[in-house]
Amino acid sequence: KNEVEQSPQNLTAQEGEFITINCSYSVGISALHWLQQHPGGGIVSLFMLSSGKKKHGRLIATINIQEKHSSLHITASHPRDSAVYICAPRGDDMRFGAGTRLTVKP
Amino acid sequence: DAGVIQSPRHEVTEMGQEVTLRCKPISGHNSLFWYRQTMMRGLELLIYFNNNVPIDDSGMPEDRFSAKMPNASFSTLKIQPSEPRDSAVYFCASSTDRPDTQYFGPGTRLTVL
Repeated sequence: KNEVEQSPQNLTAQEGEFITINCSYSVGISALHWLQQHPGGGIVSLFMLSSGKKKHGRLIATINIQEKHSSLHITASHPRDSAVYICAPRGDDMRFGAGTRLTVKP
Repeated sequence: DAGVIQSPRHEVTEMGQEVTLRCKPISGHNSLFWYRQTMMRGLELLIYFNNNVPIDDSGMPEDRFSAKMPNASFSTLKIQPSEPRDSAVYFCASSTDRPDTQYFGPGTRLTVL
């Protein structure tokens, strides 16, 4: 069974701060998704990665397959980054973390 | 492209009624996913289609749920009979292939009274 843990559950930051959200999972996987859910409920897929690191703008996602751990980093955070961030590791099945609610204050 | 289109956006129904949710994936995408999101359970994958064929339906909660994809541009998720515990937001997503980036629809908020 693919157990997924995200930390922290809630995170409040000041604009400009560097943000790190962590995701740990329990089984071998083929890929891991990071999703962003906006306050209005819409979901955007940020990254799909199976090894190493990916970067898109101010967002960086890393994964360590051996340690079964992934991180999502946001550099120079902005209030528009306020959202729930969800990791979804994909092994034999696809599970979702409970999400990290990020609030960035101006 | 208009993105993934879902209808209706909101549905309120009474327990025991049949509910049909609809999804139009992005043109050219050959993988389609149905998800359910509740406060208690978070996001859950219900079923995944590839080239219109159901590949993994292990997340479908019970026989009251069924999903079809009659062609590459349309899928339905049906609940019959509906129960209050089915109340959730149902998302449809599509991608060019399973491990690729998924594009989510706006979701259908279902309330079963």
